[in-house]
Amino acid sequence: DAKTTQPTSMDCAEGRAANLPCNHSTISGNEYVYWYRQIHSQGPQYIIHGLKNNETNEMASLIITEDRKSSTLILPHATLRDTAVYYCIVRVARGLNTDKLIFGTGTRLQVFP
Amino acid sequence: GEEVAQTPKHLVRGEGQKAKLYCAPIKGHSYVFWYQQVLKNEFKFLISFQNENVFDETGMPKERFSAKCLPNSPCSLEIQATKLEDSAVYFCASRRDRWLDSPLHFGNGTRLTVT
Repeated sequence: DAKTTQPTSMDCAEGRAANLPCNHSTISGNEYVYWYRQIHSQGPQYIIHGLKNNETNEMASLIITEDRKSSTLILPHATLRDTAVYYCIVRVARGLNTDKLIFGTGTRLQVFP
Repeated sequence: GEEVAQTPKHLVRGEGQKAKLYCAPIKGHSYVFWYQQVLKNEFKFLISFQNENVFDETGMPKERFSAKCLPNSPCSLEIQATKLEDSAVYFCASRRDRWLDSPLHFGNGTRLTVT
């Protein structure tokens, strides 16, 4: 299964852009990259996902490299409430009976005033 | 409902006792997933359902764990004869469908403590 690698932790000043990198060099052609975050011990919250093209929604932007081996999640104006663990995940869907998210260890983002 | 609802929020069991966790997926979602989070950042996939049918059970420790999703009832995850190592937060998630790239929506989990 495709594995993701993320930095263990990052800091970001409030109001600045937070850029969270992720490596997924073994990703297959039909596997999506998903980003989730977990605040305290709540359930993971969906942020954004993409296959090849860059994506943007009200929460964030996702930049995927042309070779698809890495991606960056961008929170354009980080707030204190964005402090969380961010997971870069590859959705593995092979055949008829396998379709699951493989979580990595995530990046703990600390936003400071 | 609009959220995945998990009950109870907390569950304490003595070693060897049974534990049963419940999950109501978002209305209209056909797929249900169970994940176990033991250490702070590590999620382990357990099992998934397509409606009431098991879709993928490759992560289930089959000796003591079982799960069901019956029509018109919350899905359930049951652990017979709990062990200390079963202490974890168990998350349920649902997805509308499989073939479109629809995201997985998670509940807030059930924290199981085995003493």
